[in-house]
Amino acid sequence: AQSVAQPEDQVNVAEGNPLTVKCTYSVSGNPYLFWYVQYPNRGLQFLLKYITGDNLVKGSYGFEAEFNKSQTSFHLKKPSALVSDSALYFCAVRDINFSGAGSYQLTFGKGTKLSVIP
Amino acid sequence: DAGVTQSPTHLIKTRGQQVTLRCSPKSGHDTVSWYQQALGQGPQFIFQYYEEEERQRGNFPDRFSGHQFPNYSSELNVNALLLGDSALYLCASSVRGWETQYFGPGTRLLVL
Repeated sequence: AQSVAQPEDQVNVAEGNPLTVKCTYSVSGNPYLFWYVQYPNRGLQFLLKYITGDNLVKGSYGFEAEFNKSQTSFHLKKPSALVSDSALYFCAVRDINFSGAGSYQLTFGKGTKLSVIP
Repeated sequence: DAGVTQSPTHLIKTRGQQVTLRCSPKSGHDTVSWYQQALGQGPQFIFQYYEEEERQRGNFPDRFSGHQFPNYSSELNVNALLLGDSALYLCASSVRGWETQYFGPGTRLLVL
């Protein structure tokens, strides 16, 4: 079974400061990891993904995430937060077994509300 | 290049009724997945359609069914609606179901 935990319901950060949104995962095989952002009354917008390769992944709007296999984490980061970054952020995982097959479904965390204070 | 589109945007139904939601995938995509997002929760996987067949299903009852058409668009049908079916229903498309799923704006369903 695959699962995702986002331990913080809300993160508050001052504009211009670095931000981190935490995510840990559990899979039986190898993880495909994703971050999505959701603005009010909107669908989910893709930010970035980790499939394989470099543990530091860069995505849209200056966001990046670091894959840490030993800690089973995939934290989202940005060096300097903007007020427009305020939104709901979701981490998601797919479980890929060692033969390359696996689950097609995305399993999401409960989300973290990011508030960037001017 | 049009992204994933869904219709209708909002819907109000009463308990026991049936509802059909529609999704058109992003250009070049052939796989459609459906998710239910209850208020304050992350999306929950309902099922995925590929080559007009249900390929994988989440933990949802048989009241939830779907269809995929030859042009890759898809429908989600929910029968015998319950109050607990009130949620945002999201459609996502991808290529062969691998890698990135791109989401539509969703259909907000309210069951009274």
